[in-house]
Amino acid sequence: DTGVSQDPRHKITKRGQNVTFRCDPISEHNRLYWYRQTLGQGPEFLTYFQNEAQLEKSRLLSDRFSAERPKGSFSTLEIQRTEQGDSAMYLCASSLQVASGRTDTQYFGPGTRLTVL
Amino acid sequence: QKEVEQNSGPLSVPEGAIASLNCTYSDRGSQSFFWYRQYSGKSPELIMFIYSNGDKEDGRFTAQLNKASQYVSLLIRDSQPSDSATYLCAVNIWVPNFGNEKLTFGTGTRLTIIP
Repeated sequence: DTGVSQDPRHKITKRGQNVTFRCDPISEHNRLYWYRQTLGQGPEFLTYFQNEAQLEKSRLLSDRFSAERPKGSFSTLEIQRTEQGDSAMYLCASSLQVASGRTDTQYFGPGTRLTVL
Repeated sequence: QKEVEQNSGPLSVPEGAIASLNCTYSDRGSQSFFWYRQYSGKSPELIMFIYSNGDKEDGRFTAQLNKASQYVSLLIRDSQPSDSATYLCAVNIWVPNFGNEKLTFGTGTRLTIIP
């Protein structure tokens, strides 16, 4: 399977703990996105990378959140001092930017479901 | 006003009928429009995308875009029980020289196909 993969698929943690999620994009894709989805809502954009550069961060991404893509391949999303409001599905997507002025299709991974107790 | 609006449903359609899903968006700079299907507990799966005004067909699915009315729709012909899912409309706003290509999603329409 050469799709986007995410690990872990489920994470249960206690309030105040730190958690880290990993995303492996489709191998030739240069863009990687993180979204968060809560029940009954559509995914909300958090941040994205082109290669190793983090190009945009949403206002949703508080100081407790940090994302990296150190070698332009896989990415990690860390949440420090988790709160119950962080409980959500964290989705990673990747795309291939091939031409200026065109939008490239984003393909989503299976997501990591976080539950903060 | 939400950037992308969808009727949350649920929308119930008899098996074999046409399901029509609608989406409106507020930013006239929007350039690309996507329909994703999401089964309960799963991640979004791309169904179709459309860039130009008019219709685009792919199998049983037809996407329709009207930029003047800021409206995009998805038609599903010969609906099957396996089409029962939440359908997410997503809009992409590309900024020249910046390349801001995040997707903005609606809340989704829950579709149920009745056998």
